[in-house]
Amino acid sequence: DQQVKQNSPSLSVQEGRISILNCDYTNSMFDYFLWYKKYPAEGPTFLISISSIKDKNEDGRFTVFLNKSAKHLSLHIVPSQPGDSAVYFCAATALIYNQGGKLIFGQGTELSVKP
Amino acid sequence: DTGVSQDPRHKITKRGQNVTFRCDPISEHNRLYWYRQTLGQGPEFLTYFQNEAQLEKSRLLSDRFSAERPKGSFSTLEIQRTEQGDSAMYLCASSSSLFAGATETQYFGPGTRLLVL
Repeated sequence: DQQVKQNSPSLSVQEGRISILNCDYTNSMFDYFLWYKKYPAEGPTFLISISSIKDKNEDGRFTVFLNKSAKHLSLHIVPSQPGDSAVYFCAATALIYNQGGKLIFGQGTELSVKP
Repeated sequence: DTGVSQDPRHKITKRGQNVTFRCDPISEHNRLYWYRQTLGQGPEFLTYFQNEAQLEKSRLLSDRFSAERPKGSFSTLEIQRTEQGDSAMYLCASSSSLFAGATETQYFGPGTRLLVL
């Protein structure tokens, strides 16, 4: 049962344009969401997070939007740069998980930013 | 560098052998997590420690897997009698929880890639 889904395995955008990565979840108990970026042969690197009490969080070129009613979040990267090319994972967690905060990850979306 | 470190980075073993991986978390972090990632999938939770106590284990963690975190510092993950299906990237992450129920960012190490022949 995939509780966090990233339905687009890949995305290609032109340098300077906006990249929009999408993520859907099914568990309404999730209350904290994170985006990680992963290069080959490296561990995931934290990018940005959002609590369920907010609907938007911004950090530089990265903005995450949360739509709780639709159980959907998205990551916007503006402007996109070739160095942003990587696999992006959406993750979610909830206090009900024995208060340990284990993360449930989506399958990832591979972003390619072309010069 | 004060990030999460893992050793070894790569491990090739024959089916049936035992392997052990080590994770050194960020020094002030009291929580430590192990995840496993297979090709084309996101990381899957295996287990986590709050200081030296192992508080949760996933159903993915069969009895061939054991993890320890003596003295609440580094952690080891051992796989006994390895099987080809154990081939994966094993990721360690750490975080700092201020109080029970706090949600906090987990920071990942580079991972150990295991190949079982």
